[in-house]
Amino acid sequence: QVQLVESGGGLVKPGGSLRLSCAASGFTFSDYYMSWIRQAPGKGLEWVSYISSSGSTIYYADSVKGRFTISRDNAKNSLYLQMNSLRAEDTAVYYCARDSSSGWYHVDYWGQGTLVTVSS
Amino acid sequence: QSALTQPASVSGSPGQSITISCTGTSSDVGGYNYVSWYQQHPGKAPKLMIYEVSNRPSGVPDRFSGSKSGNTASLTISGLQAEDEADYYCSSYTSSSTLRVFGGGTKLTVL
Repeated sequence: QVQLVESGGGLVKPGGSLRLSCAASGFTFSDYYMSWIRQAPGKGLEWVSYISSSGSTIYYADSVKGRFTISRDNAKNSLYLQMNSLRAEDTAVYYCARDSSSGWYHVDYWGQGTLVTVSS
Repeated sequence: QSALTQPASVSGSPGQSITISCTGTSSDVGGYNYVSWYQQHPGKAPKLMIYEVSNRPSGVPDRFSGSKSGNTASLTISGLQAEDEADYYCSSYTSSSTLRVFGGGTKLTVL
């Protein structure tokens, strides 16, 4: 069965960095587009970044552009999110999610999420 | 890119039907048939309930249905059950540079 397991969250000071990882299993990872989505405490969902199956096409939300970098390693069935210059407003649960094999139209599987807390 | 507009809350009694609206513009909801709906129970990851406006993934009860008219998409839940109490989010593909947008979410209370 499809599994997505995030790791790498934690407490970081403003201006600091974190790298989130998402280990995928149960499907052919290299065939699928992937996304990171976040949810601030008590708030709604927000698209953060998404990447094509080959990694050649990438999008970022305006709120993270220039600070976050999405990448993937298809040989390791893994998705990553490098987060730099973190701000208090980046505090959220970050979800890794599987998109379709043909584009960013909807996500059909989500990980359990990893909490990132940015605080001094 | 502004979020799609959803009512903050809706409620209904067991067995009744409710509809949650999701209003956007011709650049998102009205322009593409890529509207999806997600259910989220407290402390849990969201779950896909409807994709491409009206399609149900395998395993989602047929009590859940989706539709679209103009710039507004709708999620209808018929025969409400206690376990349907959750937050619901719509999302749409968009012509903006960020490609996709969520609604603000709707809290469904089953009375």
